[in-house]
Order: sequence, then C-alpha cells, then structure tokens
Amino acid sequence: EAGVTQFPSHSVIEKGQTVTLRCDPISGHDNLYWYRRVMGKEIKFLLHFVKESKQDESGMPNNRFLAERTGGTYSTLKVQPAELEDSGVYFCASRPSRDGTEAFFGQGTRLTVV
Amino acid sequence: DAKTTQPTSMDCAEGRAANLPCNHSTISGNEYVYWYRQIHSQGPQYIIHGLKNNETNEMASLIITEDRKSSTLILPHATLRDTAVYYCIVRVIMNRDDKIIFGKGTRLHILP
Repeated sequence: EAGVTQFPSHSVIEKGQTVTLRCDPISGHDNLYWYRRVMGKEIKFLLHFVKESKQDESGMPNNRFLAERTGGTYSTLKVQPAELEDSGVYFCASRPSRDGTEAFFGQGTRLTVV
Repeated sequence: DAKTTQPTSMDCAEGRAANLPCNHSTISGNEYVYWYRQIHSQGPQYIIHGLKNNETNEMASLIITEDRKSSTLILPHATLRDTAVYYCIVRVIMNRDDKIIFGKGTRLHILP
C-alpha cells in the first residue's frame, strides 16, 4: 500500500511568486492534515480536512495560504504571494475515520523562498 | 491537550536501551500518551500509544506510571537509525475532530 505522497520534495522560489504543494493521502483516508516546520521551530498544525470539508483551519498563518481538497482525494496548499518567512518543511498526514487510529505522515516538501 | 515536558536532548550508545522520559502531570483520565519521532529529512512517524497499561510493539515499549503523571519510551536496542527527535504527546484518542499538537521533543543521539 502506498503511503502519503507529497510533491514536490523541494521547491525554491522567489519572494512574491506562487507555489502549490500537493499531497496524496493514503487511499480511503478521510482525514487529511497539513503541518509546517520552520527552521529551528516546532512542527505546527495548519489545517485539517475531513473528506473535502475543512474541519479545522485554525493554524493557517494568513490569507496568503489556500488549501483545497476537491473531491476529497488529494489536497493542494497554495502560497500566494510567497514571503521569506514561509520557508520551511510542509508535511501532510492522513488518517482513517475510525477512532483510535494514528496518522501517517508524508516525507514533506521543503520550501525555500529567496 | 495536556502539556508535556521532555528533556531537550539525550545520548545513548548503540546497542543499549534508550529510555526517553516524559512528564505529563496534568493528564486527564481520558487522555492517551502518544509517541512520534522525526528522523532527519523524513516526516513524523508514529511509534506507540497507551492509556494506563504498559504497551509494547515491534518498535518500542511504553511504560506509564501508576498515577499516569509520567511515562518512558524504551527503544530496547538502539541503532544509529534511531537518531531522531522524539515527541511525547498526550491527547484524547484520535477522533473525528482531532489533530496532533507537537511540542519541542527530545533530540536523541545514538552514539557509535
């Protein structure tokens, strides 16, 4: 069974440009989460999808970040326009709807804004 | 989620047991203890979780004190590949409205 897959693995963009990160969760997992780790800081929660609905987006830093999960399958996280402080590693995780299950994380996308 | 306290870093010799402590003195009766780790350049990885009984799986053992105010993650025979940041998290068992809140964790160095 394929795990959580994230694309791209690395992205270097200039300040002001737009970047879209993609996450393919494990097939059948209704729950999808986005997290971010800025260098030297803790892993921070961004948002949580249940199928195509945003369950909790309390961690989204500002309106330059837009997450979507059309059809309840893969998800995208767009940063527009990117700022220097957006640099970090973005992780996606998925989990089945059954209670008591753990989340499975992808390898992350390392975003560098220069 | 209840607050946890972990040492910032620890060293362990390869082949020895690594014992990682975690204090969670304000844990509630319906909160579980979860452990995750993040190996450099990889995503966080689930290790184990428990409520009040000790738990063991193929990766590790989890020892929870009787009063549930602290716990210890044990890697029985640490290898160099176990070098990672280990996160102790206490929370209600994952449900529909759930998310993992990571703290600072313990940076474990396995020494050859």
